[in-house]
Amino acid sequence: QSALTQPPSASGSPGQSVTISCTGTSSDVGAYNYVSWYQQHPGKAPKLIIYEVTKRPSGVSPRFSGSKSGNTASLTVSGLQAEDEADYFCSSYTGGMNYVVFGGGTKVTVL
Amino acid sequence: QLVESGGGLLQPGGSLRLSCTASGFAFNRYSMTWVRQAPGKGLEWVSVISNNGGSTKYADSVRGRFGISRDNSKNTLFLQMNSLRVDDTATYYCARDSYSNFDVWGRGTLVSVSS
Repeated sequence: QSALTQPPSASGSPGQSVTISCTGTSSDVGAYNYVSWYQQHPGKAPKLIIYEVTKRPSGVSPRFSGSKSGNTASLTVSGLQAEDEADYFCSSYTGGMNYVVFGGGTKVTVL
Repeated sequence: QLVESGGGLLQPGGSLRLSCTASGFAFNRYSMTWVRQAPGKGLEWVSVISNNGGSTKYADSVRGRFGISRDNSKNTLFLQMNSLRVDDTATYYCARDSYSNFDVWGRGTLVSVSS
C-alpha cells in the first residue's frame, strides 16, 4: 500500500485560508469515509483534528474543516493563526492487512 | 493518557519490547495502535490490536518481526520488536484507535538501531 500524496508545503498570511490535498486511490480514500487529519507541532505527538472526513473532535477549532471528492481528501484551515504553523498528516483506512495508510505530510507556514 | 516506555539504543539484529500504559479511559473497550516516525520523516502505521487481543494486523515492513499484544488487567499495550534493522529507527507512539481514527496519543519513545 503506497502512502497517500500530500504537497510538501503550504503557506498563507494570518487571516487567510489554506487548503491541503491528500490523494489516494479507489482502494483507500475513495472507498471509505475514514479519512483523518493530524496536526503535529515540532517535538510533539500528533493530534487528531478531523476524523471520518468532516468531523471535528471536541475542542478542535471550527477553523479546521475537511472534505472529500473521489480519491482526494482536503483539509482547509480558515483564518490562519500563528499557532497553526505545523505539520499536517492525512490518513485513510484501507480495509486490508495494512489497515491504515498515512500521507507524507504537509508543512504549513504562516507568513 | 498514554505513556510509552522501553525505547533505547541497540545494534541491528537485536530485540526490544515497548510498553504503553493507559489511564483515564476504559482500556479494554478500545483497539490500540502503534505508529512510528523516523527522524525528520512522516508517520507510518505499524500495528493494531483489537480490544480483546483477538485480532492483530501489521504493516508489511514489520510483519514477521514485530508482535503486538496487550494485558487488559494492567491497562498495558506491548510491541515486541525482533530482528531490528537500522530503518526501524524511529519514535514509536501508541495511540487509542477508534475505527481507524487515532484520537489519543502518547508522547512517544525513541528506538535507535545502529552499529
